[in-house]
This record gives sequence, structure tokens and C-alpha cells, in this order.
Amino acid sequence: DSGVTQTPKHLITATGQRVTLRCSPRSGDLSVYWYQQSLDQGLQFLIQYYNGEERAKGNILERFSAQQFPDLHSELNLSSLELGDSALYFCASSESGTRQAGNTIYFGEGSWLTVV
Amino acid sequence: SQQGEEDPQALSIQEGENATMNCSYKTSINNLQWYRQNSGRGLVHLILIRSNEREKHSGRLRVTLDTSKKSSSLLITASRAADTASYFCATDDRGNQFYFGTGTSLTVIP
Repeated sequence: DSGVTQTPKHLITATGQRVTLRCSPRSGDLSVYWYQQSLDQGLQFLIQYYNGEERAKGNILERFSAQQFPDLHSELNLSSLELGDSALYFCASSESGTRQAGNTIYFGEGSWLTVV
Repeated sequence: SQQGEEDPQALSIQEGENATMNCSYKTSINNLQWYRQNSGRGLVHLILIRSNEREKHSGRLRVTLDTSKKSSSLLITASRAADTASYFCATDDRGNQFYFGTGTSLTVIP
């Protein structure tokens, strides 16, 4: 158990809908990362938050947004869903958001999103 | 982008044999990490090697890093069926992002 909790584990929804994925980081971790994993795109970095503020942005679509709350949990909002958004969405956390030797990130078990 | 590439994409070996997978990356790194992913599960951290280290061991795992060639290798000795999984390398650049490779799918046949 990595200590990173993600909900829901599985989600099936229709095209055009909106969903919210939730993540609770490991106790004490200030940084939260979101990744998307699909068969054809591999593991893609979406966005990172550190202590409530956006720290880095990757290949995140404009239809997607995220935030990190004062209690450090994070939510990833996916809207106007398309079939191609079907993927496994991972949240990960780390102690620090800065460049440090040995900064390991710990992954949750992921949220399976199926868009039909 | 700073994305690692693992080689081979897929590897199938008999139980007891050694498995070697390689990772290449593009720019200077702070450290390199290897992760394991069982099918449909989260990634599990295996080992981290810093840019000033050349080799590191952890149990049956041996990792090497050659910064001049921008490459790393992961060796799993005396493989077991339970080692069947995908293995990813991850590098962090001089910013805050971690970049994952495309992964090597390892199958260990009992």
C-alpha cells in the first residue's frame, strides 16, 4: 500500500459527460501529480500541484482541470468526455515539489475511466 | 520532451533466468528511478540511482547508470513468475517533472 488513495476505482460514463476523480496523497506529502495511462499513449504526465498551487503542467487537455485543496487532497475534473479519454488515471504524491536527489513519487492504484 | 525509452518493449524468459531491460533518456538528469506495474495496478517504486552513482543493488535487482550514454539498465536475477509485470524507468529533469518511459513488459514463464 503506497498510502495514496484514489476514488472511484472504476467509472463508466457517456460521451459529453463530466467526472471528478479524487486523490488523497500520502500523509505529509505536499506534491500531487496526475498521470493518464492509455494503451496507445503510455504514461502521460498531466499536471502537478504543490501545497495548493499549480507547479507544472504536462499534456493536459483544456477540457481537463485539477486543483489541490488546503487539506492537500486533489481532484481531477474531466469534462465533455470523449471516447478517447478512456484510460487509467493515476494520482501520485511526493514529499517535495522541488528538485531533490531522491525525491520518489508514490502512486495510487488508479481510477479506471471508461467512456461509452 | 525528456522521456525515457525502454528496450526491449517485451521480454519473455524462463523462471530462474536473468532479465535485463534498458532505458535511454535525452537530457541531463538529477536521478533515475525504476518502477514496476502489475497489470491494471499502480506503479510501485523499485529503486533509485542518483546521477553521481554508477551501480546500485537491492535484493535481486541491480541497476546501472551511464550518464555519458544517457542510459540505464535494470537486471533482475533469478527471475520468478511473480516478477511478471511492466517495468518503467523515470527521470526527473532539472525542474519538477518526472518523465516515464514506454515500459518493458516482462513475462516470466514458470
